Amino acid sequence: DGGITQSPKYLFRKEGQNVTLSCEQNLNHDAMYWYRQDPGQGLRLIYYSQIVNDFQKGDIAEGYSVSREKKESFPLTVTSAQKNPTAFYLCASTSRRTGTLTNYGYTFGSGTRLTVV
Amino acid sequence: DAKTTQPTSMDCAEGRAANLPCNHSTISGNEYVYWYRQIHSQGPQYIIHGLKNNETNEMASLIITEDRKSSTLILPHATLRDTAVYYCIVRPNRSNDYKLSFGAGTTVTVRA
Repeated sequence: DGGITQSPKYLFRKEGQNVTLSCEQNLNHDAMYWYRQDPGQGLRLIYYSQIVNDFQKGDIAEGYSVSREKKESFPLTVTSAQKNPTAFYLCASTSRRTGTLTNYGYTFGSGTRLTVV
Repeated sequence: DAKTTQPTSMDCAEGRAANLPCNHSTISGNEYVYWYRQIHSQGPQYIIHGLKNNETNEMASLIITEDRKSSTLILPHATLRDTAVYYCIVRPNRSNDYKLSFGAGTTVTVRA
């Protein structure tokens, strides 16, 4: 079945360490996104990529980095510069095909819960 | 981007219809209204979306007012599994921009 796979489901990081969250999709979607969610809050956009080898900062990009070397993959690195990284991280994708009503919906992964210890 | 306003929370009785309102008074002519829901500790799930006509699928119905300034998501027969946070979102008015902005949503609690 097509979908988005995020790994790991739970991740613990020591202060000062970089960690990378994986996001893979087999939906042939062009655009991919990373969101951060804090307890009781909505989703905030970190980075997004509409095509391979191109990505843009979202609303809270500081302390994060991404790459998009393959269409299927959009890993997120949480660097030591991110002062408060403990959160729930969600990856999503969507097709860029236009003209039909049904092609704009996001598909989300199941998330990675990152905790700084 | 058009903003949306939703109630913070609402309760619903199991088996009854749940009507979730959303205001989007600054919506532009070609912006779509989307609804997603997020069950605790899971990724958001797409429910339905529409432009100006009412829409229905196996999960819900979407009623959009004629002036498109508000909409209502209807869960026809709520079950305990429908307990979740429901997000009303308006898609940005740019053909090459697929960012969706998620606010706090409405926390819906279905009670037996």
